[in-house]
Amino acid sequence: DTAVSQTPKYLVTQMGNDKSIKCEQNLGHDTMYWYKQDSKKFLKIMFSYNNKELIINETVPNRFSPKSPDKAHLNLHINSLELGDSAVYFCASSLEGGNGYTFGSGTRLTVV
Amino acid sequence: DQQVKQNSPSLSVQEGRISILNCDYTNSMFDYFLWYKKYPAEGPTFLISISSIKDKNEDGRFTVFLNKSAKHLSLHIVPSQPGDSAVYFCAASEYSNYQLIWGAGTKLIIKP
Repeated sequence: DTAVSQTPKYLVTQMGNDKSIKCEQNLGHDTMYWYKQDSKKFLKIMFSYNNKELIINETVPNRFSPKSPDKAHLNLHINSLELGDSAVYFCASSLEGGNGYTFGSGTRLTVV
Repeated sequence: DQQVKQNSPSLSVQEGRISILNCDYTNSMFDYFLWYKKYPAEGPTFLISISSIKDKNEDGRFTVFLNKSAKHLSLHIVPSQPGDSAVYFCAASEYSNYQLIWGAGTKLIIKP
């Protein structure tokens, strides 16, 4: 039973489209995150939600918007997709304080 | 500015020998360090951690050493096995701030 699951695993879409990536965790964690792995393989944090409240926004473009309907879900909506948005996006969750970090398997987004 | 650096993009080691992966950091406020292992098409998985009050933590074949004065940590894998072939990420955080700062990763290849 997957602890942090994100869908879809692969997403190919055209420039200008709007898309969403879903993430769910069944670990009872308080905090969920979205990371972007760039072309140099750096993992950069984009957003973090703690008990449904946004607590980090690392100056990503406002075309990216996280939505958390409850503390087990953190979805990522992306409007007006650009070529530079192509990357692997990882969802993660942790207990408060950062312990027990667990990652999803990633979503490879390709914008054409 | 990279606060966590893994200067070796890749490392090749003979099966049965010791693998040593290195990580340097610049922020003296970091007091908790983690190593994650990542297989292709999967999310990173937690491997081992160390807090700044220790200089060594051991878990089976994996040992992490921390040298605070040099702002350097290393992961030792003994003996190396083919299943250890993966990308290893070093990450660091401050106790008061759970946000993890990641290195770029080192690809470890274990040769039979």
